Amino acid sequence: SQQGEEDPQALSIQEGENATMNCSYKTSINNLQWYRQNSGRGLVHLILIRSNEREKHSGRLRVTLDTSKKSSSLLITASRAADTASYFCATGSGNTPLVFGKGTRLSVIA
Amino acid sequence: GAVVSQHPSRVICKSGTSVKIECRSLDFQATTMFWYRQFPKQSLMLMATSNEGSKATYEQGVEKDKFLINHASLTLSTLTVTSAHPEDSSFYICSARGPPSGDLQETQYFGPGTRLLVL
Repeated sequence: SQQGEEDPQALSIQEGENATMNCSYKTSINNLQWYRQNSGRGLVHLILIRSNEREKHSGRLRVTLDTSKKSSSLLITASRAADTASYFCATGSGNTPLVFGKGTRLSVIA
Repeated sequence: GAVVSQHPSRVICKSGTSVKIECRSLDFQATTMFWYRQFPKQSLMLMATSNEGSKATYEQGVEKDKFLINHASLTLSTLTVTSAHPEDSSFYICSARGPPSGDLQETQYFGPGTRLLVL
């Protein structure tokens, strides 16, 4: 069953602009993770944020987590054409497998 | 570290045949691997959890006799699609839970996927 729901489903921006994607989830979590998938490829892990963290950075990525609202956001700054991909949030709880949202398809136009 | 490979990357087969997909953790031991299925422009749907040395745990609605999973070693899990039909055509992705080290053990590392086309 789906846990996370990303918003928007699709996003198209110009190179250099920032891209923000949101994720909402339903149940309690230990952590929330963001993954990227290029078309027809496997998923690449981007960042993990724990339930007791509010914000985390990794390069051009900034992730926030609001457990009271059960939501997270992924910000990609100074986007590049190579950032074009689908982005998924996934929630983790203990040893259970990750449950993925439907994803946001990001298109960065050069 | 934490690299997962999958083989084959693409397979075309006739209806009624069986297809085996391999998932390997290359530089770490994976006691738990996961098999997902993904339709075009859709999310990943978990099919089953593969545990080394024991039976796989299948998600509701996934036929265990149709999708045979074997996790015989700490680095290899296989998914066999038996008596394949055109509706089994999909993108199959495996993942392994990372080694027991900090955030890695809560992260899943994904193979590149296998695209199956059943004619």
